[in-house]
Amino acid sequence: EPEVTQTPSHQVTQMGQEVILRCVPISNHLYFYWYRQILGQKVEFLVSFYNNEISEKSEIFDDQFSVERPDGSNFTLKIRSTKLEDSAMYFCAGGRASTDTQYFGPGTRLTVL
Amino acid sequence: AQSVSQHNHHVILSEAASLELGCNYSYGGTVNLFWYVQYPGQHLQLLLKYFSGDPLVKGIKGFEAEFIKSKFSFNLRKPSVQWSDTAEYFCAVNALGGGADGLTFGKGTHLIIQP
Repeated sequence: EPEVTQTPSHQVTQMGQEVILRCVPISNHLYFYWYRQILGQKVEFLVSFYNNEISEKSEIFDDQFSVERPDGSNFTLKIRSTKLEDSAMYFCAGGRASTDTQYFGPGTRLTVL
Repeated sequence: AQSVSQHNHHVILSEAASLELGCNYSYGGTVNLFWYVQYPGQHLQLLLKYFSGDPLVKGIKGFEAEFIKSKFSFNLRKPSVQWSDTAEYFCAVNALGGGADGLTFGKGTHLIIQP
């Protein structure tokens, strides 16, 4: 059964550095999402992406964040200048329709020092 | 904006006990409802979902959930839990027409099953 994959599994970075988190969604999915979960808190929606553009974003997804699907397979989340409070688990998800089931990747644990 | 409440943050049960985890949401319109499970060291997996039709839905591993529209609830149940059900359980909603296609999650319930 196909799965969503994410790399790296754990990323440690210094405050102010740029990070790129990578995801490979399931091949027949059309809608893609990023979520984050700060330790001890709920999973929060960041952004949704469809047809090579952002379809929805939350208040968390400010100018420091960007997403792209550069080659039709990878789906990336970039944080331009990381802050301590960006430390969290970041989950990628995908689905065939905007209201359909979303299938999640294993997550990338981002630690900002 | 929609929100999801899970009232039980930590639940400890013995094997063979019955389970009910509460989930309430706030949104006046149509919703799709989900329960996801995260086993230790693994990623979020879909347990079951409700889109329309029979409000009692059955999922994997003997879980079921009932959508009660009048109570804005989607409680998860299992008649007899096993040690392997130890995991974090998340209720989530997708508010149709709510302007956002991302899922809104509850805080999760950490379930521990004692052998």
